Amino acid sequence: DSGVTQTPKHLITATGQRVTLRCSPRSGDLSVYWYQQSLDQGLQFLIQYYNGEERAKGNILERFSAQQFPDLHSELNLSSLELGDSALYFCASSVGRGRETQYFGPGTRLLVL
Amino acid sequence: EDQVTQSPEALRLQEGESSSLNCSYTVSGLRGLFWYRQDPGKGPEFLFTLYSAGEEKEKERLKATLTKKESFLHITAPKPEDSATYLCAGEDQGGKLIFGQGTELSVKP
Repeated sequence: DSGVTQTPKHLITATGQRVTLRCSPRSGDLSVYWYQQSLDQGLQFLIQYYNGEERAKGNILERFSAQQFPDLHSELNLSSLELGDSALYFCASSVGRGRETQYFGPGTRLLVL
Repeated sequence: EDQVTQSPEALRLQEGESSSLNCSYTVSGLRGLFWYRQDPGKGPEFLFTLYSAGEEKEKERLKATLTKKESFLHITAPKPEDSATYLCAGEDQGGKLIFGQGTELSVKP
């Protein structure tokens, strides 16, 4: 157990809908990262927050957004969902801004029908 | 463009048969090279971080090494429980992890 929690574990929804994925980092970690893992793309970095502020952006679509709250938990919002958004979404956390170990949560499996 | 490439894509070993996994990287200003293990349907589990060429780290049957262009994960006398996908990732200057596609390792008893 990495200490990073993610909810829900599974999510099934329809195209065009909006969903919210939640992540609680390890105690004491200030950075939260979001990744998407699909069979054809592998693990892709989406976005990083450090202590409530956006710090780095990766291959995140405009339909996706995230935020980190004062209690350091983070939410990833996915809207206007498409079939191709079906994937595993992982959250990771680390103590600082980078050059440290990122610990991954168990993931949320999203299926868009 | 920053890139991490792992080979082979899949590796089948007999129990006790040692081998190596390769991770080639072109990440400008590499801040760290990370190895993770991932079991099906689970999140990646941290194994090692390497920061500079020549560095080596060991954990049980695994040893990771780093050069200026690539990293190797050596597996000595593997056991069936070592079966998993092994992921390599380079951290760029912005703190982003760039992952390779992984090597799926299967160890048969």
